[in-house]
Amino acid sequence: SYELTQPPSLSVSPGQTASITCSGDKLTEKYAFWYQQKPGQSPVLVIYQDRKRPSGIPERFSGSNSGNTATLTISDTQAVDEADYHCQAWDTPTSVVFGGGTRLTVL
Amino acid sequence: QVQLVESGGGVVQPGKSLRLSCAASKFTFTSFAMVWVRQAPGKGLEWVASISSDGNKKYYADSVKGRFTISRDNSKNTVDVQVSSLRGDDTAVYYCARQTLSCATISCFFDLWGQGTLVTVSS
Repeated sequence: SYELTQPPSLSVSPGQTASITCSGDKLTEKYAFWYQQKPGQSPVLVIYQDRKRPSGIPERFSGSNSGNTATLTISDTQAVDEADYHCQAWDTPTSVVFGGGTRLTVL
Repeated sequence: QVQLVESGGGVVQPGKSLRLSCAASKFTFTSFAMVWVRQAPGKGLEWVASISSDGNKKYYADSVKGRFTISRDNSKNTVDVQVSSLRGDDTAVYYCARQTLSCATISCFFDLWGQGTLVTVSS
């Protein structure tokens, strides 16, 4: 079965750029999606179809997908961005796969 | 407002069953495919099952195939999952989510999530 691999954790200082990766075999041939999940809350979509931002998501969130790796980039990271981030793709047209999640800490 | 509200979680013994329900409000439920996603304590998200808008197509993760059954009642705007033969590794928060409209499958995503319901499998 298809797997998506994320680093378990990432720490950045306020104002820095956070880059969260999601790796999977030939991931560029699929779309990558990213969800933000704050403690005790449900996931919220922040990037869809590799690089598109839903309305209401700040411009500092961006995405890319190349080769085997999709990347969620948060520019000018703020304390409010501290959360778990989950990538998602479709393994087949009928099954979904999520990465293990990355805990972003803003120190 | 537009929302999904799950219910039915609780503490259940190994081998037993539980029925989780998700009630949709303020959107045209009959137009949307729906999914269940779970999250074990301290772990990532895991897709569990999907159901098409008309209820005719159902898909399951290998980890739950044969034990879980997804269904929907479009007259009541609800989507359920019957979870059976429960094991310890089924302990998780179970979320229902709405699959976005007007997309080719591999470009679809989940744009509305419920707050989740906790299932704890313990003797």
